[in-house]
Amino acid sequence: GAVVSQHPSWVICKSGTSVKIECRSLDFQATTMFWYRQFPKQSLMLMATSNEGSKATYEQGVEKDKFLINHASLTLSTLTVTSAHPEDSSFYICSASSPTGNYGYTFGSGTRLTVV
Amino acid sequence: AQSVTQLDSQVPVFEEAPVELRCNYSSSVSVYLFWYVQYPNQGLQLLLKYLSGSTLVESINGFEAEFNKSQTSFHLRKPSVHISDTAEYFCAVSEVGGGFKTIFGAGTRLFVKA
Repeated sequence: GAVVSQHPSWVICKSGTSVKIECRSLDFQATTMFWYRQFPKQSLMLMATSNEGSKATYEQGVEKDKFLINHASLTLSTLTVTSAHPEDSSFYICSASSPTGNYGYTFGSGTRLTVV
Repeated sequence: AQSVTQLDSQVPVFEEAPVELRCNYSSSVSVYLFWYVQYPNQGLQLLLKYLSGSTLVESINGFEAEFNKSQTSFHLRKPSVHISDTAEYFCAVSEVGGGFKTIFGAGTRLFVKA
């Protein structure tokens, strides 16, 4: 079945530094990837939709200059949290959809970001 | 725009008892519906989905959900739960032709007690 690999699974960084999270589709080409953020005991909030070869579409209220998304290939999308602050600490999860419309998207295992 | 409401934030239940996790959605167009399960500090796993056809869908581990268009519901049920079913369950909706964008409910914490 379709597999999405997310790396790293957890990261601790100092306030003011940047962190990059990778989302890879291992056995299929993902034209569209989604980035979600999840606060403790809350649901997933869609941050942005990433389409291969074009600019990401951000949801209202998400700072695109802070959360940089790059989807340069059909198997890799990256989310960079720039100048991270403690309030950016969260669980970030990506999902991917294949060109055939693999409904019931495959999710990565998530990245726990802690900014200290 | 679509929305999803999970009516119960927590559902405690004893082992081997039946359980129902409720989900209602709102959309002006046809939708696809999903249930996902999340274990602590893990990503989401697809439990089951409704795309079209039979309104009753089942998972391999005994869960089932029924799409009710008139009541705009997609409740998740299991006749007999196990301790290992303790997890967070998310109902999600995606509009047909909506570009794969999925909206999640707030989640329901299922806690199975011995």
